[in-house]
Amino acid sequence: GQQVMQIPQYQHVQEGEDFTTYCNSSTTLSNIQWYKQRPGGHPVFLIQLVKSGEVKKQKRLTFQFGEAKKNSSLHITATQTTDVGTYFCAGRTGANNLFFGTGTRLTVIP
Amino acid sequence: KAGVTQTPRYLIKTRGQQVTLSCSPISGHRSVSWYQQTPGQGLQFLFEYFSETQRNKGNFPGRFSGRQFSNSRSEMNVSTLELGDSALYLCASSLAGASLRDEQFFGPGTRLTVL
Repeated sequence: GQQVMQIPQYQHVQEGEDFTTYCNSSTTLSNIQWYKQRPGGHPVFLIQLVKSGEVKKQKRLTFQFGEAKKNSSLHITATQTTDVGTYFCAGRTGANNLFFGTGTRLTVIP
Repeated sequence: KAGVTQTPRYLIKTRGQQVTLSCSPISGHRSVSWYQQTPGQGLQFLFEYFSETQRNKGNFPGRFSGRQFSNSRSEMNVSTLELGDSALYLCASSLAGASLRDEQFFGPGTRLTVL
């Protein structure tokens, strides 16, 4: 069945270091979305990527969608304590169900 | 605009009981999706309703059901509760739904504990 895997599951970084989470799908995705969930909160939409090879930036965050539309990454430059939370990717397939990745929990050490 | 609201926020039930959770989407949003979030399984898609019709369904047993009303408000029902149903149930609304690739706006969730 459809699976969207994320690595790493956990990441601890010193404030100021960079952080990257990777998302891999077993099947080709029609698009991919990224969400952030703060501790005790609910997922909040960050961005959506649709095109093969697409790259989008939001301040210190860079999102990429792979050429084959099966993988994606989120890179945060110079992490801050406000970046703490769990980052989820979510991919849509032809069946239009939204499959969430397993998430990467980011801890930023001040 | 008010965000997605869910009621109740917390619920404690015992095995064998049934439960109904409610979700009010953002005004104008016609699609409502439900998710189950647990530490072990992450975020899992339950079902999506659009214009009162179930449009997509995840891999959950028939004990999990839902419906959507003409005002787009949605309810989900879980019958014959099991211990493993303890989870955070999240509702998300979007403008037009899955087929148009819209972003999902999540509610705060209902924390269900089954004893």
